[in-house]
Amino acid sequence: NAGVTQTPKFQVLKTGQSMTLQCAQDMNHEYMSWYRQDPGMGLRLIHYSVGAGITDQGEVPNGYNVSRSTTEDFPLRLLSAAPSQTSVYFCASTQGGANTGELFFGEGSRLTVL
Amino acid sequence: GIQVEQSPPDLILQEGANSTLRCNFSDSVNNLQWFHQNPWGQLINLFYIPSGTKQNGRLSATTVATERYSLLYISSSQTTDSGVYFCAVAGSARQLTFGSGTQLTVLP
Repeated sequence: NAGVTQTPKFQVLKTGQSMTLQCAQDMNHEYMSWYRQDPGMGLRLIHYSVGAGITDQGEVPNGYNVSRSTTEDFPLRLLSAAPSQTSVYFCASTQGGANTGELFFGEGSRLTVL
Repeated sequence: GIQVEQSPPDLILQEGANSTLRCNFSDSVNNLQWFHQNPWGQLINLFYIPSGTKQNGRLSATTVATERYSLLYISSSQTTDSGVYFCAVAGSARQLTFGSGTQLTVLP
């Protein structure tokens, strides 16, 4: 049972480039989310989805897009990368909603924007 | 939204010591979880505990929802307990809010 799988684990981009961080889960969880973690800070929610076809913004959504075409996958797209998006990104999922379920995290993706 | 405060921000212990980490939150919650982020960056669930008390080996947690706080107890600490401990809460909103964590260092 793989749980939550993120790819790539490391990525270096130049300012203005675009890329997609992939997230897949094999637990049939309805709720999926993306967080970013910056040094000395907790995790901040970027976007989340309560099921296929449904997405919503979190605390820091600017500069990121998401879609949820299947229950398993929840990719995060950076449209035009900026140095302020240098961070570690975590994908997470839960069976219940975020306000009721136990959250499981992927191993993280470290992104550097030059 | 809900505010989450964790204390202390940093804690250094000798192996074998006990410790208590605290999480205060500003509103009623439906969900409270404790996570451990190890030195390799992995986030591991410790407890799902919106109320009551749970124990798992040397770790236990208590949430007093009416007084808006939760405590994480670590007994007989080991070097492998080092890392950052996060508390995260959610009320009626569909998102978990994280505290800024307690950095724990256990010395051999």
